[in-house]
Amino acid sequence: AQTVTQSQPEMSVQEAETVTLSCTYDTSESNYYLFWYKQPPSRQMILVIRQEAYKQQNATENRFSVNFQKAAKSFSLKISDSQLGDTAMYFCAFMKPPGETSGSRLTFGEGTQLTVNP
Amino acid sequence: DAGVIQSPRHEVTEMGQEVTLRCKPISGHNSLFWYRQTMMRGLELLIYFNNNVPIDDSGMPEDRFSAKMPNASFSTLKIQPSEPRDSAVYFCASSPPLGARTEAFFGQGTRLTVV
Repeated sequence: AQTVTQSQPEMSVQEAETVTLSCTYDTSESNYYLFWYKQPPSRQMILVIRQEAYKQQNATENRFSVNFQKAAKSFSLKISDSQLGDTAMYFCAFMKPPGETSGSRLTFGEGTQLTVNP
Repeated sequence: DAGVIQSPRHEVTEMGQEVTLRCKPISGHNSLFWYRQTMMRGLELLIYFNNNVPIDDSGMPEDRFSAKMPNASFSTLKIQPSEPRDSAVYFCASSPPLGARTEAFFGQGTRLTVV
């Protein structure tokens, strides 16, 4: 079974600064997908960024980027130029590749509450 | 695209009553997931369907919980009878078929309060 661990329950950062959220996972799979989801107070789960394990290049989406270390099973999220709207709970998640006839579930970490201070 | 639609957004019910949560997945998606979010247990998968067939219901807490997917555009999660410990946010998510971009799209969730 896969497990996902986020060791930072809470973090804070000043507006315009950079912050890194940590995530480690455990799996015996060689191919899989990793995600960071954002959950603001509205509770909507919003996909921030995704990474395919077979790709060595780290994914980037505007101010969000990841540091994917496959051997270390580490998947951290870096938020540059933090904005007040980035305040939210951030979840790291793991997904095995879907099968030919079935979808694939997400396994979530415990979450990190990020607060961006003005 | 309207996204995954869940109803109701909020539900308050008395212990012992039946509760039905509803979900409409994104058109064309063939996998549907029900997750529960609580402070104590975080986000946990309850059940998921592929092509309307239940694939894994090992996360369903007990017989009081049941889920159906009668067609590709509708699913229900029913709790009968409800108990205070069922209070949580319930999310429905859907995923596209194999070969499409692999990710899950979430609805806005139903906040259930059982008093």
